[in-house]
Amino acid sequence: AQKVTQAQTEISVVEKEDVTLDCVYETRDTTYYLFWYKQPPSGELVFLIRRNSFDEQNEISGRYSWNFQKSTSSFNFTITASQVVDSAVYFCALSESGTGNQFYFGTGTSLTVIP
Amino acid sequence: DVKVTQSSRYLVKRTGEKVFLECVQDMDHENMFWYRQDPGLGLRLIYFSYDVKMKEKGDIPEGYSVSREKKERFSLILESASTNQTSMYLCASSLSLTLGTAGNYGYTFGSGTRLTVV
Repeated sequence: AQKVTQAQTEISVVEKEDVTLDCVYETRDTTYYLFWYKQPPSGELVFLIRRNSFDEQNEISGRYSWNFQKSTSSFNFTITASQVVDSAVYFCALSESGTGNQFYFGTGTSLTVIP
Repeated sequence: DVKVTQSSRYLVKRTGEKVFLECVQDMDHENMFWYRQDPGLGLRLIYFSYDVKMKEKGDIPEGYSVSREKKERFSLILESASTNQTSMYLCASSLSLTLGTAGNYGYTFGSGTRLTVV
């Protein structure tokens, strides 16, 4: 079974629109970590954020915000006022305490921001 | 700036060749990982290593092997390359999760090697 589901395969938005990327995870651990990574066309995955399972506070960093809801096992990512430079593939990932440092990645959401 | 360096960005090999993909990190990380990335399938774990000379199979180890003789270097080996191993290969490293560590610090990734097997 897929531990991390990113149902949106591709999304296109017009520049300055807001966009939300969905991530749903599955785990039986009480201690776990959730991540978002960005993969621009250059190929290297860039770390965006890490949350642990005990911290459900939403986080905002500039135009980026994350909504973590344990009740729905979701960790959604919103980009406000999107820009062309936001075009990339975004991956959500889960790390469970029982598996040490092994990550489970979603299949990614390809975001295209149209100028 | 901390880095994970993959020796080749693009590689073209023939079917049946033995292929070595090299990965070096300069962060003194204990853990290193090899993933392959394919459209629609996301990142799939091939092998990982928690320490020198240690290796663990990931989700799709068939057709691959690894070597970790030094802490900073983790090599992925395709014993006999096949066309279905054409893919993007990503190396990553991370700190070890030890007692008292505040949490899992996540991976640092290399830029990837796009391998084409013809």
